[in-house]
Amino acid sequence: GAVVSQHPSRVICKSGTSVKIECRSLDFQATTMFWYRQFPKQSLMLMATSNEGSKATYEQGVEKDKFLINHASLTLSTLTVTSAHPEDSSFYICSARLNPGLSSYEQYFGPGTRLTVT
Amino acid sequence: AQSVTQLDSHVSVSEGTPVLLRCNYSSSYSPSLFWYVQHPNKGLQLLLKYTSAATLVKGINGFEAEFKKSETSFHLTKPSAHMSDAAEYFCVVSEGDWGKLIFGQGTELSVKP
Repeated sequence: GAVVSQHPSRVICKSGTSVKIECRSLDFQATTMFWYRQFPKQSLMLMATSNEGSKATYEQGVEKDKFLINHASLTLSTLTVTSAHPEDSSFYICSARLNPGLSSYEQYFGPGTRLTVT
Repeated sequence: AQSVTQLDSHVSVSEGTPVLLRCNYSSSYSPSLFWYVQHPNKGLQLLLKYTSAATLVKGINGFEAEFKKSETSFHLTKPSAHMSDAAEYFCVVSEGDWGKLIFGQGTELSVKP
């Protein structure tokens, strides 16, 4: 159980276009999902926290108008990279929290999406 | 604010020898601590977690970690390394009641035949 999927796994787009990445919790409901960015050989950087039915909370330095997050249902959150540029090329990973009411705060991670902007 | 420091960016061991990946944390209250593993171009898999129960935590694939409050450490160990253990390992602390995760810088584990 507690499986999180991401689609697509890999995407190449031209500079100036927009790309949407989906994150789904397959066998549980997730009121909270998280979006991370990872550069090669580096750690994960939290971009934003996505709460179902409300606006996402962005970390300092992350442009909310560039990285649009929508959490329209309890099993789906989307990240749209708008007007993508080569510097947006990265590995994007989402996670979903299984039981927000418990104290374990465990997150289950998706397999990641490799975005390449040409 | 909470933080976590992984003391080694890269560890290399021979197959069949013990593994030690070091992690120190900083927290103003009792933390939840995790170790995740990431294989190349893959997502993260939870190895084990500490949530104020037993200080010695056993995880998957023979890994375990010991929470030492006096040393603010949460080192990851395995008695005998396997080639399939080669990956990136992240020590993680949970911040606050809503579960924001703070990641360490990562330790790359190499396993030589």
